[in-house]
Amino acid sequence: EPEVTQTPSHQVTQMGQEVILRCVPISNHLYFYWYRQILGQKVEFLVSFYNNEISEKSEIFDDQFSVERPDGSNFTLKIRSTKLEDSAMYFCASSDTKLNYGYTFGSGTRLTVV
Amino acid sequence: DQQVKQNSPSLSVQEGRISILNCDYTNSMFDYFLWYKKYPAEGPTFLISISSIKDKNEDGRFTVFLNKSAKHLSLHIVPSQPGDSAVYFCAASENSNYQLIWGAGTKLIIKP
Repeated sequence: EPEVTQTPSHQVTQMGQEVILRCVPISNHLYFYWYRQILGQKVEFLVSFYNNEISEKSEIFDDQFSVERPDGSNFTLKIRSTKLEDSAMYFCASSDTKLNYGYTFGSGTRLTVV
Repeated sequence: DQQVKQNSPSLSVQEGRISILNCDYTNSMFDYFLWYKKYPAEGPTFLISISSIKDKNEDGRFTVFLNKSAKHLSLHIVPSQPGDSAVYFCAASENSNYQLIWGAGTKLIIKP
């Protein structure tokens, strides 16, 4: 069964550093998303991406964050100047339709900012 | 601002019995609701959905009920099995949006 792959599974970074979280969506999917879950809290939408541009973003997704699909297969989330409160599980998802139930999530990257 | 609330952080149910997971929402513009299941160290997996034009949707052991007047939905699992032990998230959206608004999750524990 096709799956969404996220690397690394765990990333530790120092406060103020930049991190890039990588995702390989399912190959024929057209819609891409990033979500995060701070430990013990709810899953939060960050951004959606379609046709090489951001479709929608939440208040969380400020100038510190950016997304890119650099080579037609990878979908990356860049976090500049990380803060302690950026520590969370980051989930990438992709779908072949705009309908929400079509999401397939990756296993997540646990980001720890120290 | 918690638009989607799952008030029970955990629920323990005997194997073979019915599990009922509850979810409340405040935004009357929500018209599509989903349940996701999440095992440790894995991403959420879509389980079942319901649109606001229905009040019930069934898929095997899983049934979702929607009460629009009460802004309440529930997920029924019957009979409950050990593999159902997971965290269950309720999520909602306004149909035209990409954004899913998630509840905090309920950890379901199925006791043998």
